[in-house]
Amino acid sequence: RKEVEQDPGPFNVPEGATVAFNCTYSNSASQSFFWYRQDCRKEPKLLMSVYSSGNEDGRFTAQLNRASQYISLLIRDSKLSDSATYLCVVIEQTGANNLFFGTGTRLTVIP
Amino acid sequence: DVKVTQSSRYLVKRTGEKVFLECVQDMDHENMFWYRQDPGLGLRLIYFSYDVKMKEKGDIPEGYSVSREKKERFSLILESASTNQTSMYLCASSFPGTGTYEQYFGPGTRLTVT
Repeated sequence: RKEVEQDPGPFNVPEGATVAFNCTYSNSASQSFFWYRQDCRKEPKLLMSVYSSGNEDGRFTAQLNRASQYISLLIRDSKLSDSATYLCVVIEQTGANNLFFGTGTRLTVIP
Repeated sequence: DVKVTQSSRYLVKRTGEKVFLECVQDMDHENMFWYRQDPGLGLRLIYFSYDVKMKEKGDIPEGYSVSREKKERFSLILESASTNQTSMYLCASSFPGTGTYEQYFGPGTRLTVT
């Protein structure tokens, strides 16, 4: 049983497209949720937190569905620079050993 | 800007060697972590530390040890390197507690054990 699961992709989309990724988690008591971005051969960096009410940052929208236990990331008007791997992170409860990374979803935006 | 640095970007070692991976952060973070990242497996936590001289095992501590003598420095030690420890090693740091819990990662060390 994996605590966090993501579709590895790859997602190949044309510039300007809208693309969405989901990430499911197994523990219904999970408390905090995040999306990280990892460029090829680079370290992961925080993209955005995911709040119960959903949150938006420019072209990026993150949402949480507690009933179905998944978080989503929507990217509108995709840019070439959005090409990366997107990792979801779930924190089950307080404590560093209760933080789980998904394996990542690879996105390639094509000109 | 938070800076997490790792001692080497690429490292090649022989089976049985003792390997030291160093990580330094400049943000006065209490929490520090060591992960390894492998294709299809994602990031897996090896060890973490809440404070100086404190360490806790993560999901895959076997074959590794750590040292935190100073707040800014967290070292990962492979006592006797094996080929299955060939991987990308990522160090991270964060403030304590929940809340945003953003982790800041170092650039990674790609270790090859031959």
